[in-house]
Amino acid sequence: ETGVTQSPTHLIKTRGQQVTLRCSSQSGHNTVSWYQQALGQGPQFIFQYYREEENGRGNFPPRFSGLQFPNYSSELNVNALELDDSALYLCASSLQGVDTQYFGPGTRLTVL
Amino acid sequence: AQRVTQPEKLLSVFKGAPVELKCNYSYSGSPELFWYVQYSRQRLQLLLRHISRESIKGFTADLNKGETSFHLKKPFAQEEDSAMYYCALTGSGSARQLTFGSGTQLTVLP
Repeated sequence: ETGVTQSPTHLIKTRGQQVTLRCSSQSGHNTVSWYQQALGQGPQFIFQYYREEENGRGNFPPRFSGLQFPNYSSELNVNALELDDSALYLCASSLQGVDTQYFGPGTRLTVL
Repeated sequence: AQRVTQPEKLLSVFKGAPVELKCNYSYSGSPELFWYVQYSRQRLQLLLRHISRESIKGFTADLNKGETSFHLKKPFAQEEDSAMYYCALTGSGSARQLTFGSGTQLTVLP
């Protein structure tokens, strides 16, 4: 059984650019959630995907979007990057209806 | 709105001393409460959840609905307990998303 994996590990972008982050869910899990963790803060929920559709969204603007694929892997896309988007982005997988979420190692995004 | 508050950003105790990490929450229904832990250079992982009423690595947490608290306790701290601890809850939304506190960095001194 493999755990949640994320790529890339680190990323540096400039303001206004677009970025795509990737996540592979744990074997057998059908739900993927994305979180943003700013420095010194706890993770904040961005959105969740289940059956390739958005299943809930936190307080993030539409320039944060996502996809889930038939193999349950997922992408997080952020358009028009802003300096405040600099953070650790965490992906978590779970089984729909089960509260325990398993986290990946995260992608550290720096926006200059 | 759901909210989790961890009033201590930093907490230091000596090895063998009791430790309590505080967590208070606000939620208008019946939440599920969790403690997550992040050891140095490791990913965020579940430590315990109140519904299972387990003791993991000697840690316990009791849900006090009257005080809306879910404090994490251990009677005898060990150096390997040094880590960042996050309290979190899920509500009744379809996504069952986690709402996290800002975390407490626990350091257990030798």
